[in-house]
Formats: sequence, C-alpha cells, structure tokens
Amino acid sequence: EVVMTQSPATLSVSPGDRATLSCRASQTIFSNLAWYQQKPGQPPRLLIYGASTRATGVPARFSGSGSGTEFTLTISSLQSEDFAVYYCQQYENWPPYTFGQGTKLEIK
Amino acid sequence: EVHLAESGGGLVQPGRSLRLSCTTSGFAFGDFALTWVRQAPGKGLEWVGFISGKPSAGRTEYAASVKGRFSISRDDSKSIAYLQMNSLKTDDTAVYYCTRGPYYDSSGYCDYWGQGILVTVSS
Repeated sequence: EVVMTQSPATLSVSPGDRATLSCRASQTIFSNLAWYQQKPGQPPRLLIYGASTRATGVPARFSGSGSGTEFTLTISSLQSEDFAVYYCQQYENWPPYTFGQGTKLEIK
Repeated sequence: EVHLAESGGGLVQPGRSLRLSCTTSGFAFGDFALTWVRQAPGKGLEWVGFISGKPSAGRTEYAASVKGRFSISRDDSKSIAYLQMNSLKTDDTAVYYCTRGPYYDSSGYCDYWGQGILVTVSS
C-alpha cells in the first residue's frame, strides 16, 4: 500500500500571502496525484489531477507541482474562501487508492 | 450537469446490514467507474471500493478494511450504484460519499462527489 504523508498538519497563513502544502508518497506514483479541498459540512472538491492540471473551474491561484514521490500544492494570494482542509490522493498503485491525512489551512 | 446523490443511510446496530444507493444523472452512467469513499467523524478520507463501467463488466475492488463484508453493484438501466454493507462494525461509522472519476476501469481521481450520507453503527 502506498502511504501518503502530508505536511504540515496545520498551516497558519495570512490572507493575501502564499501557502505551500506538501505531500509525499512512500513509493513512486509518477504524476498520478490529485489534490482536493474540503470545507466543513461539504464533500471534497477536486482541485488538481495529474499532479499539476487544474480541474474545471479552479482558480489559477491554485497550482500543483512535483512527480515521483514529492508533490506540492501552492495557493498564491490566499482568499478567505481558501481556508479549508486539503487532501492529496494517489491513483498509481491500487488497490487501495490512498489519501494523505490532510492539511488544515487556517487564518493567521 | 453531473449529479450524484446518496441515500439509505442512518442508524444501524453492530452486526446488521445496510444498503446505500447512489442515484446519478447528467452523464453516460455505464461508461464510468463509480467509487465509494468514506470519512469517519473528524477524520480523513478513506477509499472504500469501486465498480468498473463497461466494457470491464462490473469489476470490483475493495479496501482491506471492508473486503468480504461490503459489496458494490450497479444498475446501468437506472443509473444507480449500490453499496451493500454487511456485518457492520462501529468503526464503519462515517459519512459515505459516492464519487465518479474519469475512467471506466479504475477509480482514478474523483472529479464528482455526492453530498454524502451518514451511517452510524451503534447499539
């Protein structure tokens, strides 16, 4: 099973600043990585797939990078609606498909 | 517009069974795999299992935590997927999401999600 490890667990950032979230896979997953955003009481929303491709309707301030085992989600110029929990998920080696434990992005 | 909606959740005693339904619209149901993902209260996301679309003819895969207890099926004529949950345990308490990805033969990533349905396993 591929273990996905996200860091940090909580990230405190001021509105307008940049946020950088990390996700590490226990073995190579090439570029088969997705990022999701989840707000309280809502289902997750797909942000990024293929490590760097934005899903339909996702603002350009969200960007993904990385390949192999190290991945990054960057949110430039944080907006109030961006404060949420973010999950990464690998879809290279399955079953099972595995998610990271999440990073909570909170207002500083 | 793609739409998925779960139903059938609720409170159930340990050891009992429950069947969730995922009613869909807005896409060619038979051409896509359907995946179930769950989230225990206050916890992260856990992949439960998936069922492939045609032409993989309903292949299923499950997480180890539910294998042998849960089964996924689909009715392409009604555009509905099901999650049959047997021998339920308290650890199965979670919000269950029905999701769709871009492929027919694997889960891949989940680009569409239902709103989720709460299943509580408790005596």
